[in-house]
Amino acid sequence: GENVEQHPSTLSVQEGDSAVIKCTYSDSASNYFPWYKQELGKRPQLIIDIRSNVGEKKDQRIAVTLNKTAKHFSLHITETQPEDSAVYFCAASINTGGFKTIFGAGTRLFVKA
Amino acid sequence: NAGVTQTPKFQVLKTGQSMTLQCAQDMNHEYMSWYRQDPGMGLRLIHYSVGAGITDQGEVPNGYNVSRSTTEDFPLRLLSAAPSQTSVYFCASKRDPRGEQFFGPGTRLTVL
Repeated sequence: GENVEQHPSTLSVQEGDSAVIKCTYSDSASNYFPWYKQELGKRPQLIIDIRSNVGEKKDQRIAVTLNKTAKHFSLHITETQPEDSAVYFCAASINTGGFKTIFGAGTRLFVKA
Repeated sequence: NAGVTQTPKFQVLKTGQSMTLQCAQDMNHEYMSWYRQDPGMGLRLIHYSVGAGITDQGEVPNGYNVSRSTTEDFPLRLLSAAPSQTSVYFCASKRDPRGEQFFGPGTRLTVL
């Protein structure tokens, strides 16, 4: 089955610096890659996603890149702010059967003011 | 719209007890899923459904049952609770296979 690995598990940056989180997936049938942000005690919420026919997508300070050949995708946050502190999850959706979504283990991001 | 709702918010069970976690959505979404969240392990898929009457197993289905008799509801049943099932449980729904998943507020379950 699909397996999604996410690195690093913890990331600490200074306010204003960039943060990069990387994920790899195992199933070449995956074709949709969302990223979720979860603040402490709250539910995960989608922040950006990318489909397999696109290599890069940007939304203000966040961007996601996808390399289908290498089966990896990354989240880039520029000009980090303290409110970016949260746990970030990557995920991969498989376009077979029930379109299930498998998540990575998460990255806890700390942005120091 | 209430979105995705879950009940209860908190629950304490004794080993061997059974219970049902409720999940409902009012967005007419076909796709629904149950995840458990444990520290350092992310969100692991338990069961999912692509529509009323259709369910399938995820990554960690053992010890859990689901059914989907209506589009709106997707209950998760613990047949005989074990301490290893202590976790936070999230229900989620989405309209499209490759679309945003909307999560419920979660149920924090402790099994003693």
